[in-house]
Amino acid sequence: ILNVEQSPQSLHVQEGDSTNFTCSFPSSNFYALHWYRWETAKSPEALFVMTLNGDEKKKGRISATLNTKEGYSYLYIKGSQPEDSATYLCASLTGANNLFFGTGTRLTVIP
Amino acid sequence: GAVVSQHPSRVICKSGTSVKIECRSLDFQATTMFWYRQFPKKSLMLMATSNEGSKATYEQGVEKDKFLINHASLTLSTLTVTSAHPEDSSFYICSARVLPGHSSYNEQFFGPGTRLTVL
Repeated sequence: ILNVEQSPQSLHVQEGDSTNFTCSFPSSNFYALHWYRWETAKSPEALFVMTLNGDEKKKGRISATLNTKEGYSYLYIKGSQPEDSATYLCASLTGANNLFFGTGTRLTVIP
Repeated sequence: GAVVSQHPSRVICKSGTSVKIECRSLDFQATTMFWYRQFPKKSLMLMATSNEGSKATYEQGVEKDKFLINHASLTLSTLTVTSAHPEDSSFYICSARVLPGHSSYNEQFFGPGTRLTVL
């Protein structure tokens, strides 16, 4: 079992604020890092799959960076909107093709 | 595209009964499906990897006779919780991976999950 940690567990931000959260994972046997966005009563939605050290990916106002040597990834949301409210999960994919998830960061954007 | 459905979304059953949960890939074929379980305030924990046409691979500590997995086609995997007990109450969620060679091969597409409550 891989120890994937996310922080903070939850946060509240005002609409328009930018925010970021952290995912840390063991750097050994690393294959890929996944970010998911999970709204209540819906399926987790894939945001990014990142594999290379130094990778930076962007989708609209959301972006993510990856450091495989030190074992962390940051997810950034610029100008948060109420519809960004969700739980953001990261998961580390090992060479055995198993995803190990963190417990998620629950984001609430206050209008 | 890449939609996964899961049925039922919520089930309440009596102790000792068996419950079947279905996971379907609606618009793609999946040789591999995964079953996860989530305890309150915990992360998604992989229970087993289900491969079409072969036996599932269970994670350490998961009883294969308790959690029966069948992956009879490229679009359907089922998880049956046999002789359910209150401690089996949990949130179960499946995911599916597209066929090898597809550009999204490393991604897993998730169903919405099933909340099981055993009385």
